[in-house]
Amino acid sequence: QKEVEQNSGPLSVPEGAIASLNCTYSDRGSQSFFWYRQYSGKSPELIMFIYSNGDKEDGRFTAQLNKASQYVSLLIRDSQPSDSATYLCAVNNQAGTALIFGKGTTLSVSS
Amino acid sequence: DADVTQTPRNRITKTGKRIMLECSQTKGHDRMYWYRQDPGLGLRLIYYSFDVKDINKGEISDGYSVSRQAQAKFSLSLESAIPNQTALYFCATSPENTGELFFGEGSRLTVL
Repeated sequence: QKEVEQNSGPLSVPEGAIASLNCTYSDRGSQSFFWYRQYSGKSPELIMFIYSNGDKEDGRFTAQLNKASQYVSLLIRDSQPSDSATYLCAVNNQAGTALIFGKGTTLSVSS
Repeated sequence: DADVTQTPRNRITKTGKRIMLECSQTKGHDRMYWYRQDPGLGLRLIYYSFDVKDINKGEISDGYSVSRQAQAKFSLSLESAIPNQTALYFCATSPENTGELFFGEGSRLTVL
C-alpha cells in the first residue's frame, strides 16, 4: 500500500510567521507532488505542484522536494489568518494515473 | 455555474437503499475521479475513468460501482448502502498528465 504521511496538527502560528508543513511518501517511483488547500466545508483546491528536486516559489508559498529522502514540504511566509485551512499533500502514483492523498495538516493562524 | 457539479449535495438514506451520486463537468477533461473523505482519513480514491470505455478501481472500490455515461458525466452508485459509507464524496476532473484535480463541491451522504 503506497502511503503519504502528514502530521495532522493542528499547527498553530501567529500572524506574520512562517508555517512549515511536511509530508513523506513511500513510493520511490512517484514523480509529481502537489499541495492542496481545503477550507472548512469546501472542496480542495490546488496551490502548488513540484516535479524536480529543490525549491519552487510562488508568492508567499514555497514547495520543497527531496526525492532521495522522499520528503515534500510547503512553507508559507508571512502567514495570514486567511491561510487557516487544512493542507493536503498529494503524490502521483508511479503509473501516473491517480493522486494519493495524505490525511492533511490543519493550520491555524492567529491574529 | 460550477465547472464540476455534483448532485445531490446532501442525502440521508437508510441501510440497504440504493443510492446514486451524479457528477457532470463542463471543463472538457477526459479524466474523472470519485474520492471519499472521512474525518482523520483524508481523501481516498474509489474509482477513476479516463474515457467512456475506461473504468478503473481505486483503493476502496468495494461496495461501490460507477458509470461513465458520457465524457462529461460520471456517476457513483452504492448498491446497498451501509452506515460506514457515511462520508463526504468528491468528484474531480483532471487534464491529461498534469495531476491537477478540479473538485466538485462535494456530496454529503448519511446512511442511517
